[in-house]
Amino acid sequence: DAKTTQPNSMESNEEEPVHLPCNHSTISGTDYIHWYRQLPSQGPEYVIHGLTSNVNNRMASLAIAEDRKSSTLILHRATLRDAAVYYCILLNSGNTPLVFGKGTRLSVIA
Amino acid sequence: EAGVVQSPRYKIIEKKQPVAFWCNPISGHNTLYWYRQNLGQGPELLIRYENEEAVDDSQLPKDRFSAERLKGVDSTLKIQPAELGDSAVYLCASSFTTVRVFSQFFGPGTRLTVL
Repeated sequence: DAKTTQPNSMESNEEEPVHLPCNHSTISGTDYIHWYRQLPSQGPEYVIHGLTSNVNNRMASLAIAEDRKSSTLILHRATLRDAAVYYCILLNSGNTPLVFGKGTRLSVIA
Repeated sequence: EAGVVQSPRYKIIEKKQPVAFWCNPISGHNTLYWYRQNLGQGPELLIRYENEEAVDDSQLPKDRFSAERLKGVDSTLKIQPAELGDSAVYLCASSFTTVRVFSQFFGPGTRLTVL
């Protein structure tokens, strides 16, 4: 499985935008980029995924570099409830188990 | 729609005792996963079911762990006997298998403490 690299931790002020980076230089052409997050004492939850084009949903936006070797999860206005560990994961088929790294721990300051 | 249900939420046992975790996936989801999450780490897959068939159990320590998914719906994960190193959060997830990439839905997990 292609690996991803994320910063261990990031900090943001409440109501400010947050850009969470992920490097995946060995990504293959069929790998989808997925983001999950895990709030304290909860199971991970799906955030967003994409292949080549930028994606938006109600939770976040995903910006994918043209060469697909990196991507950025964008939270447009961070809230205290967004404090969580964010995982960037590559998947190349629909029923492949998720391979989690350590993710990025996001702290949001009021 | 109900999410993935797991029980119990917390379990404290002494080493060498048996323990079982139960998971009820989202209705209609044919793929079920059990993950284990150690403190400070991301979850790691233990076993994956497609309907009632275990299609990936390579990471399941088979000397003490067992799992079943009768009738392809709910599932039970058992540890017998438990060891101190089994203390972790056990997460169940489910998804609906299609040819397209899709998301997995996780339950809240069972936090196991082995004393």
